[in-house]
Amino acid sequence: GNSVTQMEGPVTLSEEAFLTINCTYTATGYPSLFWYVQYPGEGLQLLLKATKADDKGSNKGFEATYRKETTSFHLEKGSVQVSDSAVYFCAPHAAGGTSYGKLTFGQGTILTVHP
Amino acid sequence: GAGVSQSPSNKVTEKGKDVELRCDPISGHTALYWYRQSLGQGLEFLIYFQGNSAPDKSGLPSDRFSAERTGGSVSTLTIQRTQQEDSAVYLCASRRGTGGLEQFFGPGTRLTVL
Repeated sequence: GNSVTQMEGPVTLSEEAFLTINCTYTATGYPSLFWYVQYPGEGLQLLLKATKADDKGSNKGFEATYRKETTSFHLEKGSVQVSDSAVYFCAPHAAGGTSYGKLTFGQGTILTVHP
Repeated sequence: GAGVSQSPSNKVTEKGKDVELRCDPISGHTALYWYRQSLGQGLEFLIYFQGNSAPDKSGLPSDRFSAERTGGSVSTLTIQRTQQEDSAVYLCASRRGTGGLEQFFGPGTRLTVL
């Protein structure tokens, strides 16, 4: 099955700082890759995704590139805002077989951005 | 409905009691998932329903946990003889099922076992 190693938090940054949250995975086959975000008091929601090697997912100023050779999907943002404070989850999607349809979530990284 | 809904939003129960948690998926979504989110533990997969196929129960932590999905829509997660370690937020998600990989999550049910 899939597994995910995600950068441990919490991460604390000042507004406008550069953000990187590392994510590496192990998977059979060719998974699609996702980042989900959980804002305070809200449910999880999809932030961005990439479905094949070298694809770059992007949304709300966040980016992540599917690196098959290093099995990584690191999340980056050039200038964070206070409103980006949330918990971020990396999640590969099972490529096929009996696990198709299942996401494997990382432990989550808590990000706090100060003004 | 507009999104996945779950009820109740909060549940406090005494150790040893049974609880039922409900999930209403997005209309037309054929796949439904239950997860558990404990403090510091990330998201733990519990069970997965896809259409009329037998559910994937591989994540259920013990035989005290069970789930059903009636009519391919609403799902109920039942925990029998609750223990304090069952305290967590229980999340439900649904997915379109064909051609769509994104899971849409409900707000969760926070379960506290005293």
